[in-house]
Amino acid sequence: DTEVTQTPKHLVMGMTNKKSLKCEQHMGHRAMYWYKQKAKKPPELMFVYSYEKLSINESVPSRFSPECPNSSLLNLHLHALQPEDSALYLCASNAPNTGELFFGEGSRLTVL
Amino acid sequence: GQNIDQPTEMTATEGAIVQINCTYQTSGFNGLFWYQQHAGEAPTFLSYNVLDGLEEKGRFSSFLSRSKGYSYLLLKELQMKDSASYLCAVRDPKGKLIFGQGTTLQVKP
Repeated sequence: DTEVTQTPKHLVMGMTNKKSLKCEQHMGHRAMYWYKQKAKKPPELMFVYSYEKLSINESVPSRFSPECPNSSLLNLHLHALQPEDSALYLCASNAPNTGELFFGEGSRLTVL
Repeated sequence: GQNIDQPTEMTATEGAIVQINCTYQTSGFNGLFWYQQHAGEAPTFLSYNVLDGLEEKGRFSSFLSRSKGYSYLLLKELQMKDSASYLCAVRDPKGKLIFGQGTTLQVKP
């Protein structure tokens, strides 16, 4: 299994809603990432979890709250988002030897 | 600081060869990656260089010169499906992957 699975693939939410994005991998990778990507821009790092502990937070607003329940799962909880938060949210995990990032298909978020 | 430069757009003809350059100035270096991304899809891994030289993988090759802060991705026998964005990314000593702005390649018949 060399996949990173993200759900949902598409999400539309209002500014007062609370929702969550989910990510799962079963490759035994111990580092997992959240990236945000706007159209025609490269992915921007948001959070890194290493061995289930938050190791990097790229000054992301608190309306985004990551969670790593175990080594295979990574969540991103969303609350009180703004329309400018609409983007593709990519989860990735890190192969320990090469450092290659395996990306999921992404969750396309639209905030109304 | 971190700075990764690559051309914004390139156009090439089906069957031809194209070289996409990437120059970087980063505080620390721990490997360079190339990713391909089709519109609306996730990036997919193409190549990884940590030592100087050429890495070949089928129609795709990647070259690295650490002293020059320079890499290129070479695509041979171009196919229409190679039309995509190509992202150069440098990994820093903390393990963060820093992406360039990407090069949009259009392959024409």
